[in-house]
Order: sequence, then structure tokens, then C-alpha cells
Amino acid sequence: EIVLTQSPATLSVSPGERATLSCRASQNVSSNLAWYQQKPGQAPRLLIYGASTRATGIPARFSGSGSGTEFTLTISSLQSEDFAVYYCQRFNNWPPMYTFGQGTKVEIK
Amino acid sequence: QVQLQESGPGLVKPSGTLSLTCAVSGGSINSSNWWSWVRQPPGKGLEWIGEIYHSGSTNYNPSLKSRVTISVDKSKNQLSLKVTSVTAADTAVYYCASQQRTSSGWYSDYWGQGTLVTVSS
Repeated sequence: EIVLTQSPATLSVSPGERATLSCRASQNVSSNLAWYQQKPGQAPRLLIYGASTRATGIPARFSGSGSGTEFTLTISSLQSEDFAVYYCQRFNNWPPMYTFGQGTKVEIK
Repeated sequence: QVQLQESGPGLVKPSGTLSLTCAVSGGSINSSNWWSWVRQPPGKGLEWIGEIYHSGSTNYNPSLKSRVTISVDKSKNQLSLKVTSVTAADTAVYYCASQQRTSSGWYSDYWGQGTLVTVSS
């Protein structure tokens, strides 16, 4: 089973600054990785799929990169509405299941 | 645009069975999507429970597989989740989501708003 490890657990950033979130896979997962944003009391929202493709309606300040075992979600200039928890996710071939990382909380510095 | 709405009892007794449904609107459950359930204990992260295709094919989280059943009702355009022998550890917000499997990636594009299920006597 592939384990996804996100770091840091909490990231303190000032509005307007850049945020860089990491997701590390325990095995090579090619580029089949997705990122989600979740705000308190809300369902997760898809941001990025295929490691680097922005979902419909997602602002250009969100970008994803990486392949293999190292992936990064970058928010180029944090807006007030971007303070949230971010999760990475991918599908394991065996056992056939989706795995989430434990999440990174982006908080106001 | 697909919309998903979870429903079911908000309180289940320990050792009982948790039963939820997810109504799909704006799209057909017979589409090429898979349909999944994800849960989130209070203050914790996301846990994938399982998924189903309209043909009835399923995949389950091995940690829950012995207690979980996911099914579809094509006539009602909805999917269902049953979790047996529940304990307090099953207390969580339960989400249903549509799963895309494309050449560009596999991901959950639409989510329900979630429903809180508490296991308590």
C-alpha cells in the first residue's frame, strides 16, 4: 500500500506570500496525484489532478508539480480565502483503493 | 453539473448498522463515473471508504472491507452505504463523491455537502 506523507503539518504564511506544500509517496506513483482544499464545515474541493492540471474554475495562483514520489502544491500569492487544509490523494493499484495524505493546514501568520 | 446529497440517520447506536444514501442529480449514475464514499472523523483527516461503478463493481478500503457494503439503485439514481457493527470510532462526517478516471488522472470532482453520523447510546 502506498503511503502519502504531507509536510509540513501546519504552514504559517502572511497574505500575499507564497506557500509551498509537499506530498511524498512511499513508492513511485507516476503523475496520478490530486490535490484538494477543505475549509471548515465544507466538503473538499478539487484543485489539481494529474499532478499539475488545474480543475475547472481554480485560480492560476494554484499550481501543482512533481512526478514519481515527490509532489508540490504552490500557492503563488496567498489570498484570505486560501487559508484552509490541503490534502493530496492518489489511487493505489494494489490493493485497489484511494489514499489521502494526512493534510497540511495553511494558517494566517 | 452533478450534485450529490447525502441523507440518513444522524445517530446510530453502538453495534448497530449505519445506513446512508446519496442522491445524484444533474447526471446519471449510469455514466462513466465511479461513485465513492469518504469519511472524516471530527477534527481529523479524510479516509476513503470505497467506491462503486454502475455495473456493481466495487473497491473497498481493506481496513473497513469486512463491515462495509456500497450499492447502487439505478431506478432512483442513488448510491448507498452500509457499515455494520459500528463503534464510536465510526463517528464522522460522511461524504459521497463522483470519481473520474481519465487519461489525465483519477480524482473526485464533485462532492456532497456531507452528513454527520454520531455513534452513541
